[in-house]
Amino acid sequence: ELKVEQNPLFLSMQEGKNYTIYCNYSTTSDRLYWYRQDPGKSLESLFVLLSNGAVKQEGRLMASLDTKARLSTLHITAAVHDLSATYFCAVDHYGGSQGNLIFGKGTKLSVKP
Amino acid sequence: NAGVTQTPKFQVLKTGQSMTLQCAQDMNHEYMSWYRQDPGMGLRLIHYSVGAGITDQGEVPNGYNVSRSTTEDFPLRLLSAAPSQTSVYFCASTRGGQMNTEAFFGQGTRLTVV
Repeated sequence: ELKVEQNPLFLSMQEGKNYTIYCNYSTTSDRLYWYRQDPGKSLESLFVLLSNGAVKQEGRLMASLDTKARLSTLHITAAVHDLSATYFCAVDHYGGSQGNLIFGKGTKLSVKP
Repeated sequence: NAGVTQTPKFQVLKTGQSMTLQCAQDMNHEYMSWYRQDPGMGLRLIHYSVGAGITDQGEVPNGYNVSRSTTEDFPLRLLSAAPSQTSVYFCASTRGGQMNTEAFFGQGTRLTVV
C-alpha cells in the first residue's frame, strides 16, 4: 500500500524565519507534487517535481526531490504571513501521471508576526 | 476557460438518500478523479478515470459509483448516503503526458449527511 507521510503536521513560524516541510513516500515514483490549500478553498498546484534531483523555486518556496531516498522537501525562506496555508505533497497512485494521486495529510502552516 | 466545475457547492442529505455530484472540465483533459477531504486525513482518492468509458477504484471506493461517458464529465454517485460520507468532495482533471502533469481541482462540494 502506497503511503505518503508529511511532517510536521502543524507548524507555527515567526515571520522572517526559515523552515522545511518533509514528505516521505513508500513506493518508487519519479515525480511528486506540492499543493497549497487556503481555508475553505480548493487546492492550488505549487510544484511538479519530475525526476530525481529536481529543484524548483517560486518566491520564498523551494521544493526538491530525492527519488532514491523517497523524500521531498519544501523549504520556506523568510516566511511571511501570506504563506499561511495548508501544504500537501502527493504522488501518483500507480506511478504513471494519470492524475490519481495519493496525498499526505498536509502541513498546516501558520506564520505569525 | 472555466477549468473544473463542480455542482452543487453545498448539499445536505438524509441518511439513505442518493445523489449525484457533478463534475465537468473544459480543458480536454484525459484523466479525471474524485477525492474526499476529511479533517486531519488529507485527501483520499475515491475513483478515477483514464478516459471515456474507463474507470477504476481508488483508496476509498465503497459507497460510491462513477461513470465516464464523455471526456468532459465525471459524475460521482452516492448510492445510499451515510453519515460517514459527510465530507468535502473534490473533483480533479489532469492532462497527462510527461510534462506539467499536475491535477487541476474544482472548488469542492461540501456534503453533510444527517
